[in-house]
Amino acid sequence: QKEVEQNSGPLSVPEGAIASLNCTYSDRGSQSFFWYRQYSGKSPELIMSIYSNGDKEDGRFTAQLNKASQYVSLLIRDSQPSDSATYLCAVIRQSGNTPLVFGKGTRLSVIA
Amino acid sequence: ETGVTQSPTHLIKTRGQQVTLRCSSQSGHNTVSWYQQALGQGPQFIFQYYREEENGRGNFPPRFSGLQFPNYSSELNVNALELDDSALYLCASSLDAAGANVLTFGAGSRLTVL
Repeated sequence: QKEVEQNSGPLSVPEGAIASLNCTYSDRGSQSFFWYRQYSGKSPELIMSIYSNGDKEDGRFTAQLNKASQYVSLLIRDSQPSDSATYLCAVIRQSGNTPLVFGKGTRLSVIA
Repeated sequence: ETGVTQSPTHLIKTRGQQVTLRCSSQSGHNTVSWYQQALGQGPQFIFQYYREEENGRGNFPPRFSGLQFPNYSSELNVNALELDDSALYLCASSLDAAGANVLTFGAGSRLTVL
């Protein structure tokens, strides 16, 4: 089992729709969770962090965390073509000395 | 406040050669982490440097080595290059080595090994 798993996509949504990106992780002791956006050929850019169960909203973005299910998600409301990118889920494990463990990323395509 | 800068942005090497990649951390950040991102994959942790000492290492062979300097800039060295070393190498700095600190990434160095 991979430490952080994401569906690689591509996930295609129409402009204005809600995009839902999902991520599961294997280390039950993980405490910190992040979503990074990466445009093609560019470096990852942090868009959301979440540390406790529940929802965290920032503009059009909502991160959701369920530690019991070891599941974290990112919702993007009113999706825009400029949201088309790869979204990387990243987790800080409780054990070991690794700053961030990344998933493979989900490629999102917002169709105008 | 300057961000994380990396050099060179692109380079091409041949198998067996050696390469050095450089990174200047964001102002005020004392920790640098290096990641390798192969095409279509997520970034993979190589190692982290905190106050000039290696502070954690991923599953990479010893031919991947690094340094951190007193000004917190860093180098990644890869010896005996292999074709599979072709990737985007990302440097990220953070305020401290504690796990919860957010990483700020540089633009990356794209290495092609022929």
